[in-house]
Amino acid sequence: GDSVTQMEGPVTLSEEAFLTINCTYTATGYPSLFWYVQYPGEGLQLLLKATKADDKGSNKGFEATYRKETTSFHLEKGSVQVSDSAVYFCALTRLDRGSTLGRLYFGRGTQLTVWP
Amino acid sequence: AAGVIQSPRHLIKEKRETATLKCYPIPRHDTVYWYQQGPGQDPQFLISFYEKMQSDKGSIPDRFSAQQFSDYHSELNMSSLELGDSALYFCASSLDRGNSPLHFGNGTRLTVT
Repeated sequence: GDSVTQMEGPVTLSEEAFLTINCTYTATGYPSLFWYVQYPGEGLQLLLKATKADDKGSNKGFEATYRKETTSFHLEKGSVQVSDSAVYFCALTRLDRGSTLGRLYFGRGTQLTVWP
Repeated sequence: AAGVIQSPRHLIKEKRETATLKCYPIPRHDTVYWYQQGPGQDPQFLISFYEKMQSDKGSIPDRFSAQQFSDYHSELNMSSLELGDSALYFCASSLDRGNSPLHFGNGTRLTVT
């Protein structure tokens, strides 16, 4: 079945360091891929998305490229800030016929802590 | 901007009791989703509704039921609670069965003792 595998955390970085959080997926059909962020005490917020191969999603300095050949959607940011400390979830949903687009399959989440 | 509202934020119940969680979607959103997130786990899809009809069903136990009302709010009813039901329950809403991004509420933390 459809699934998402994320690198395990926690990830601890100093401010301005480079961030990579790996995400790979298994899916039939043509999935859309997402990164969601969860700040302490809050719900999940959509960070970025990509709906087809080679698409790059970007938002707030974060980027991820939909790589069909490696079934990956790694999250990157060139210079993290303390305010980026949160849990990051990779997720997918399928576009093919008969699938409810909103049914998201999540990875386990990666806790990111950024120190000043 | 209005967001998805969930109530209550926290709920403590004993085993075998019943709990009702409520979700108020963003105005004009017609689709509601329920997810369960156990401690240290990824959110798992439970059930969704589109225009007050069940549209998809995931790993929702038979002890749980849900519905969407005429004002589009949704309720998740959980009976015969078990310790393993302790989790964070998220509601999300969207337009047109998820063809627009999902907006999540802050969740209801249920603790079963």
